[in-house]
Amino acid sequence: QSALTQPASVSGSPGQSITISCTGTSSDVGGYNFVSWYQQHPGKAPKLMIYDVSNRPSGVSNRFSGSKSGNTASLTISGLQAEDEADYYCSSYASSSTLFGGGTKLTVL
Amino acid sequence: EVQLVQSGAEVKKPGESLKISCKGSGYSFSSYWIGWVRQTPGKGLEWMGIIYPGDSDTRYSPSFQGQVTISADKSISTAYLQWSSLKASDTAIYYCARRTGGSNPFDIWGQGTMVTVSS
Repeated sequence: QSALTQPASVSGSPGQSITISCTGTSSDVGGYNFVSWYQQHPGKAPKLMIYDVSNRPSGVSNRFSGSKSGNTASLTISGLQAEDEADYYCSSYASSSTLFGGGTKLTVL
Repeated sequence: EVQLVQSGAEVKKPGESLKISCKGSGYSFSSYWIGWVRQTPGKGLEWMGIIYPGDSDTRYSPSFQGQVTISADKSISTAYLQWSSLKASDTAIYYCARRTGGSNPFDIWGQGTMVTVSS
């Protein structure tokens, strides 16, 4: 089982929207609607932002949204804010196992 | 408040053994799976395995099977991750995290335990 593929970095200006992709295979991302996204600020634990492809936990801003097409899932952050600058990781269920992406560093310019 | 509190940072030598802990509070510890996740600068997050404290059902990632042991003591709401013989490559931050089922996300995370293995 290989890690899911994410871009190493993305950037955007305050107020803009950005999208982070997460590519897997038909055995993980494409095979189940169990994709999650986590936000991690430096020195902190990951925080769940999206689960089951497009659901937001209570308390997470509606500026965060998720989607999936085939073997690729996406996280979109609209109305970028300085506090969104962090690392983002996707994760997928994969037949009694769990895979993570390599992480994407979001820079808010 | 629902939380997972992990044991403190460790510095060990290669070949030594180690057991780190993760104590849950604010919820029914026996009813949620606890997973362990490794974080290294080069490889990001890696899922190591998971245990259901209610009956100690344990699953391991193929990458970590035989390398670590995951256990839990539901009487004290604590999960454990242990090594019998550490290697320098085990140097990482280790997180425990809670999930409701095998396909569910990790909704609550511990603060992480830094393990340094160096001669």
